Amino acid sequence: GAGVSQSPSNKVTEKGKDVELRCDPISGHTALYWYRQRLGQGLEFLIYFQGNSAPDKSGLPSDRFSAERTGESVSTLTIQRTQQEDSAVYLCASSLDAGTDEKLFFGSGTQLSVL
Amino acid sequence: QKEVEQDPGPLSVPEGAIVSLNCTYSNSAFQYFMWYRQYSRKGPELLMYTYSSGNKEDGRFTAQVDKSSKYISLFIRDSQPSDSATYLCAMSGGATNKLIFGTGTLLAVQP
Repeated sequence: GAGVSQSPSNKVTEKGKDVELRCDPISGHTALYWYRQRLGQGLEFLIYFQGNSAPDKSGLPSDRFSAERTGESVSTLTIQRTQQEDSAVYLCASSLDAGTDEKLFFGSGTQLSVL
Repeated sequence: QKEVEQDPGPLSVPEGAIVSLNCTYSNSAFQYFMWYRQYSRKGPELLMYTYSSGNKEDGRFTAQVDKSSKYISLFIRDSQPSDSATYLCAMSGGATNKLIFGTGTLLAVQP
């Protein structure tokens, strides 16, 4: 596709349920990032993947959060036992590489609402 | 103290005004500075990209970086209602590959 694709665009779940969010990066982009954006706040880094290297998980807020990536393709972000404070927009981005000067291209995000 | 500080606004200006958006930062290792624009219910899109200090101009947009003051700015000339969006500064460099974002400034350009 032409851009980063995320699904679902909206997800409403009950507290305690698990959710899985999907990201399809731009073809050929080796780096993939997940960010969280709470209402009225900036983007909070969660995790990034670069090729076959071990992912940088330093931004994951708790062990309820995990992410996987299949090669240089699709990534899924899983949140277990969701809490109300997990409500946010989850944004995925990809870039050609993971150097400090790389430009990120973002998807439209998944709006997660935990009731 | 946050690594990147940005006034969240909202900022409301009349059409045609010059808009000034700013961020300050604390990490002197940052070398790459970006401005992203985010429309409602959309992901951020890269607007301006600057390496190290100096100015960069692209149409009605000018980005400035002052590393000595750890201060970056985005100027929008002849602002249009279509410029109404949230503007996020972002930066990286040093030991981290991660982009660190400001909170974003919500801009409304009134027709």
